[in-house]
Amino acid sequence: QKEVEQDPGPLSVPEGAIVSLNCTYSNSAFQYFMWYRQYSRKGPELLMYTYSSGNKEDGRFTAQVDKSSKYISLFIRDSQPSDSATYLCAPGGATNKLIFGTGTLLAVQP
Amino acid sequence: GAVVSQHPSRVICKSGTSVKIECRSLDFQATTMFWYRQFPKQSLMLMATSNEGSKATYEQGVEKDKFLINHASLTLSTLTVTSAHPEDSSFYICSATDPSGRAAGTDTQYFGPGTRLTVL
Repeated sequence: QKEVEQDPGPLSVPEGAIVSLNCTYSNSAFQYFMWYRQYSRKGPELLMYTYSSGNKEDGRFTAQVDKSSKYISLFIRDSQPSDSATYLCAPGGATNKLIFGTGTLLAVQP
Repeated sequence: GAVVSQHPSRVICKSGTSVKIECRSLDFQATTMFWYRQFPKQSLMLMATSNEGSKATYEQGVEKDKFLINHASLTLSTLTVTSAHPEDSSFYICSATDPSGRAAGTDTQYFGPGTRLTVL
């Protein structure tokens, strides 16, 4: 079993839709949870992070963590074509190392 | 925000040659840098953790004699792929941690733009 599982997609949605991106993880020692966005042939950029169960909102983005079920989500409201990218979840623990999911490729159609 | 650069962005080399990739933190001092490899449509795989002034720590399965890492200063780490072969062709990405940007109890990792290596 992989430490982090993520549906690779691709996920295609119309502009303005609400997008739900999800990851599951197996290591209960993970303490914090990062979401990165990666455009094609570019390095990942940090979108959001959380470290406790619950929701965290930043503009159109909401990160959600449920530690009891080891499930993390990223919601994007009013999706835009510029949101088209690969979204990577990356939980981590005390070592500062991040374990990346495979990423979900999102395409927002204008 | 914290900016990390990589050079070169793309390199094509012949099999058997060595290639050096530089990773620089431009506006902060990075105590730790990480090197990742990413194959097409796959996740980022951590290769090694590099701390300034000390030997790098390699992940299981990564040959330290093939992937030489030097972290000579707080703003520069280099990865040298020695005697490169076609199977080493990949996207190599570094990240640097900015202790001042501590997020969620951990040092935030900022990524470089990546280096695409093609070995013929």
